[in-house]
Amino acid sequence: AQSVTQLDSHVSVSEGTPVLLRCNYSSSYSPSLFWYVQHPNKGLQLLLKYTSAATLVKGINGFEAEFKKSETSFHLTKPSAHMSDAAEYFCVVSDRETGFQKLVFGTGTRLLVSP
Amino acid sequence: NAGVTQTPKFQVLKTGQSMTLQCAQDMNHEYMSWYRQDPGMGLRLIHYSVGAGITDQGEVPNGYNVSRSTTEDFPLRLLSAAPSQTSVYFCASRQGSYYEQYFGPGTRLTVT
Repeated sequence: AQSVTQLDSHVSVSEGTPVLLRCNYSSSYSPSLFWYVQHPNKGLQLLLKYTSAATLVKGINGFEAEFKKSETSFHLTKPSAHMSDAAEYFCVVSDRETGFQKLVFGTGTRLLVSP
Repeated sequence: NAGVTQTPKFQVLKTGQSMTLQCAQDMNHEYMSWYRQDPGMGLRLIHYSVGAGITDQGEVPNGYNVSRSTTEDFPLRLLSAAPSQTSVYFCASRQGSYYEQYFGPGTRLTVT
């Protein structure tokens, strides 16, 4: 069955330093993978998605993620954090087992950015 | 386009009461889903639909009913509310399997 594990529940960085949010997935098939962001008391917004094209995926607001099949990972990175990046981030997987009909969410990583 | 809309934004129920959370989208998306979000648990899929007249259960369907009579609307019914159903509920839609999901603003439900 498909699943996703976000390895850190909280990540703290200083403004201007790199961001790394870790995600490992489990899937019997070639998965589709997504990162969503949720700002406080808001809905969810898509940051980026991987659907079996280029393994390095660029998203909005300077975020990118690399699909590594050998490591079953899809970590989210950003070279330089901004105060507005403080939010909760969700890694999401979907695969052919469910006809890509179901999305399975990780438990989330809260990113804290200090001045 | 309004996107995905949900009503109400907030609701307080007493145990045993029933109610319907409304969800509508104006993007002509075939796929619609309901999730609940609880602290430390991410979003969990309750029910989903891949088209009018077609629904299926997700990860946590017990205590909830859905129907999809039109492409635009996908209401979620709580049959007999329980305190364990206190949560934030999100409706989402997407064009198809490989497309991004668009989320509504959420409904915060408290059951006392």
